[in-house]
Amino acid sequence: SQTIHQWPATLVQPVGSPLSLECTVEGTSNPNLYWYRQAAGRGLQLLFYSVGIGQISSEVPQNLSASRPQDRQFILSSKKLLLSDSGFYLCAWTADNNQPQHFGDGTRLSIL
Amino acid sequence: QKEVEQNSGPLSVPEGAIASLNCTYSDRGSQSFFWYRQYSGKSPELIMSIYSNGDKEDGRFTAQLNKASQYVSLLIRDSQPSDSATYLCAAYNFNKFYFGSGTKLNVKP
Repeated sequence: SQTIHQWPATLVQPVGSPLSLECTVEGTSNPNLYWYRQAAGRGLQLLFYSVGIGQISSEVPQNLSASRPQDRQFILSSKKLLLSDSGFYLCAWTADNNQPQHFGDGTRLSIL
Repeated sequence: QKEVEQNSGPLSVPEGAIASLNCTYSDRGSQSFFWYRQYSGKSPELIMSIYSNGDKEDGRFTAQLNKASQYVSLLIRDSQPSDSATYLCAAYNFNKFYFGSGTKLNVKP
């Protein structure tokens, strides 16, 4: 069966520090991968998605970036975090077009 | 702008009642639709997928899709306190999922 791993679960970072969140999927090949951010009490904001290695589509201009160095690995990064980057970050995957997304457990990021 | 709209609630129902959650979407090209349940502080978990007009039943859950009206609904029969959560509706089109902001459901014992 397929599983998705996302870490860390919780992260507290100072303003201006770098960020790296990692997500890996097991049990499938060539998944579509997604990064979302969810502010408290709000819906999911799509940040990036990828349909293959090295292919990244950015949805929202911001100080975040994403990379997909391997088929089942998706990384969210920032060189300098802002206070507004606080939130609940979720990684998700789908097996194919029209198939549902499955989410990782999320990373709760607090910026001080 | 492709949008998915949901009433934020909270929707309060007594235990054992039917909870009805609604969602509308703006993009007529949307191909498939999904309902997710999200407990406070947790990630969304898939409840139902629906791809064609009509009803789809899975246990206590029934999803309904009307593409002409651009309307999706989720019925929860015999609601339990454990169903208390936020329910997210999502529409899929061309590699992207568009999520509503969710409806908070409270099931009172």
